[in-house]
Amino acid sequence: AAGVIQSPRHLIKEKRETATLKCYPIPRHDTVYWYQQGPGQDPQFLISFYEKMQSDKGSIPDRFSAQQFSDYHSELNMSSLELGDSALYFCASKTGGTKNIQYFGAGTRLSVL
Amino acid sequence: DAKTTQPNSMESNEEEPVHLPCNHSTISGTDYIHWYRQLPSQGPEYVIHGLTSNVNNRMASLAIAEDRKSSTLILHRATLRDAAVYYCILRGYNNDMRFGAGTRLTVKP
Repeated sequence: AAGVIQSPRHLIKEKRETATLKCYPIPRHDTVYWYQQGPGQDPQFLISFYEKMQSDKGSIPDRFSAQQFSDYHSELNMSSLELGDSALYFCASKTGGTKNIQYFGAGTRLSVL
Repeated sequence: DAKTTQPNSMESNEEEPVHLPCNHSTISGTDYIHWYRQLPSQGPEYVIHGLTSNVNNRMASLAIAEDRKSSTLILHRATLRDAAVYYCILRGYNNDMRFGAGTRLTVKP
């Protein structure tokens, strides 16, 4: 079965650079979530989108922005990168209905040097 | 958001049952109890969820206290591949998920 695809899997950037992470949800899933997981920490919710509209916002820094496109894929844009942005970034997708289960991708590991 | 409390870590022997507890004394009547797990170097993975009644699926069972202030995830026969961090999460219908501090399960051969 198709899963959530994230690209790239690994990304190395310098401080103050920008980065774009991409997420391709499972086909027919209309909701996308982004999470950040720092080293040794639990995943922290950043932002979510439903039908291309932002649906909820968590602890996403102002330097980050995201959107969901007409084909339901999503991109997380990160500017003025800081050392503390080094983390695993997970995307999850969900379909409507009663089960309300999120399916996670394998994540993008961002290293800021 | 209603808060959950889980032990930091637990150990189990392979092939034995494991009971992972979760306290959620401030749960509201519309909150579902979800369990996810995160294997090393992987994204979180859905395990099971329930509202009031006990639930079973191919991965685990979920036992929910009658007052819903606590629940227990039951792995009937732990394997080495079950070693992971297990998260108990409360969420209202269609609400977004907030991970707390989960339980790191170690399975000994």
